[in-house]
Amino acid sequence: EAEVAQSPRYKITEKSQAVAFWCDPISGHATLYWYRQILGQGPELLVQFQDESVVDDSQLPKDRFSAERLKGVDSTLKIQPAELGDSAMYLCASSLESNEQFFGPGTRLTVL
Amino acid sequence: DQQVKQNSPSLSVQEGRISILNCDYTNSMFDYFLWYKKYPAEGPTFLISISSIKDKNEDGRFTVFLNKSAKHLSLHIVPSQPGDSAVYFCAAYGGYTDKLIFGTGTRLQVFP
Repeated sequence: EAEVAQSPRYKITEKSQAVAFWCDPISGHATLYWYRQILGQGPELLVQFQDESVVDDSQLPKDRFSAERLKGVDSTLKIQPAELGDSAMYLCASSLESNEQFFGPGTRLTVL
Repeated sequence: DQQVKQNSPSLSVQEGRISILNCDYTNSMFDYFLWYKKYPAEGPTFLISISSIKDKNEDGRFTVFLNKSAKHLSLHIVPSQPGDSAVYFCAAYGGYTDKLIFGTGTRLQVFP
């Protein structure tokens, strides 16, 4: 069964360091999403790609966060420098049609 | 501004009984609703959805009801099983943005 892959599953870093997360969507899914989920809250969209183009990054803190999907397939989300408040689960999802998104297992980030 | 609200952070139900999870929304432009289930350390898994042109959708033990006039939807699980113990997120689409908006989640515990 096709799945969204994410790595690493867990990441512990110190504040001010750089971190990067990788996502490989389900093959053929043109739309890719990065979400952040803080404990006790629902996932919140950070950035949405349609193929290699950014469709929505209105909630992405652009001073420290960046995302790319250069070839329109896999994607990388980077944080530099990481802050304590960035500790959260970072989820990647992909979809063929907008209404049903398939999520990966997530990367649990802890910033010390 | 929480457009999708799940006012019950937790619910405890005995195995075999019905679980009812509730969700309220404020944006009348939402026209598609989804329920996701999330286990610890995993990404959300799509469970069931409903379009605003319907008031009920059923899939096995899971039924979603939509009351558009009350801007309310609910997920019924009958009969509840211990494996249903997870966090359930309500999510909504529509309006002026093509963005999936999540509620804060309800933790369901099904005990023997």
